[in-house]
This record gives sequence, structure tokens and C-alpha cells, in this order.
Amino acid sequence: GAVVSQHPSRVICKSGTSVKIECRSLDFQATTMFWYRQFPKQSLMLMATSNEGSKATYEQGVEKDKFLINHASLTLSTLTVTSAHPEDSSFYICSVHWGTSGRSTYNEQFFGPGTRLTVL
Amino acid sequence: TQLLEQSPQFLSIQEGENLTVYCNSSSVFSSLQWYRQEPGEGPVLLVTVVTGGEVKKLKRLTFQFGDARKDSSLHITAAQPGDTGLYLCAGGGRAAGNKLTFGGGTRVLVKP
Repeated sequence: GAVVSQHPSRVICKSGTSVKIECRSLDFQATTMFWYRQFPKQSLMLMATSNEGSKATYEQGVEKDKFLINHASLTLSTLTVTSAHPEDSSFYICSVHWGTSGRSTYNEQFFGPGTRLTVL
Repeated sequence: TQLLEQSPQFLSIQEGENLTVYCNSSSVFSSLQWYRQEPGEGPVLLVTVVTGGEVKKLKRLTFQFGDARKDSSLHITAAQPGDTGLYLCAGGGRAAGNKLTFGGGTRVLVKP
């Protein structure tokens, strides 16, 4: 499988500031990455699909101007939470799509360790 | 829209007992994955099943894909405290492109 890292693992910020979260695919080139958020004791909620070299595709209800995604290289996607507010506090997780590497056709995803965002 | 329903939502058992988690849908999936997630960490892929009726074993964990590829189950034999976590099933299909549809998750607590 793929090895995925996220940075930072934990961030606390003041309301109104912007926070950037990095997602790196360490051992293979990922054309497609995904960003999820997860509330306590709940499942994953897909926010957007990040495609290298093109604009991200956002899920219904996710504000693209608030959650800026950049996928400038095959190993790095970033999620910027702009003008963060307390309701943006959550666990943000990225994943890489394994299928596009040709190793699998079954849409497997490998996840990063997550970033805990707390907005005060 | 493809939906996956997991049951039960929460299971609390004693060490050594068996447990089964179910994942059901009215839609057909071309593949189905099971993940385990521990608190504060990302999900870890346990298995992928792709053929109707397929059974896969991973030590004390047995995964089954339904004949019609609409449902799956995860059975853990002689559960240990290390099995504690959130178990997620996720399905992939042509209609969803590269995206996965996740179930609501089953929180498993194995008490020593």
C-alpha cells in the first residue's frame, strides 16, 4: 500500500485565521487524493477530490472558497481552511487513490494519520 | 446515490468473545473494503473483497462478500483488546468514479 503523511498533526488557531494542512504521498505518485473531515464518533465525510494539475471537485454543501485545495504535484495536496471559525474544528484526513497507479482497479484508498484542527 | 448501512453502531464485548459486523446496501459494488480506525489516527485498510461470495481471512478476522455484491460482513473470533476501534466498510463502483462510499461505522470495544 501507499504511505501517506499529514502535517501538522494538530493545530490550534484563533477564529478568523487561515490554516494550511499538507498531505504527502511518500512512496508513489498520486494523481488523485481525497480530503475528508470526521466529527467525533462519526464516519468519514468526503469534502473534495483533489486532482493533480486541475481544480478540485467539491462535494455538495462544501464551500470551495472556504476550503481551498491545491494539488500542484503528484506527491502533495494542501487544504487551506480560510477564515476559520469554531464550527470548522474537526479531524481532517486525506487519502490517496491507489487505483490510478495501475496497481489496483478496486479504488482502494490509503489514508494519512489525520490533522486535528481546533479553532478558538 | 449509493448508501452503505453498518450494524450495529456500537459493540461492547469481553475479551475472548466473537463478534460480527454487517455492512448492507441496496446497490451493487464492484469492490468493498474494510478499514479499522483507532482514535486520533487515520483508517487503515484491512482487506478488499471483489468477487461475490468471496471469503478472506486475516488471522482472527474473516471477511465475506455477499453473492450479489451488495453486502459484506466482518467476523472476529476470540476478540482481543487490540481489536478495539472503529470499523468502516467502504464500497467502490463505476457510478462513483474513484470515490468510495463509506458506511456509518461500527465502534467496537473489547474489554480485558
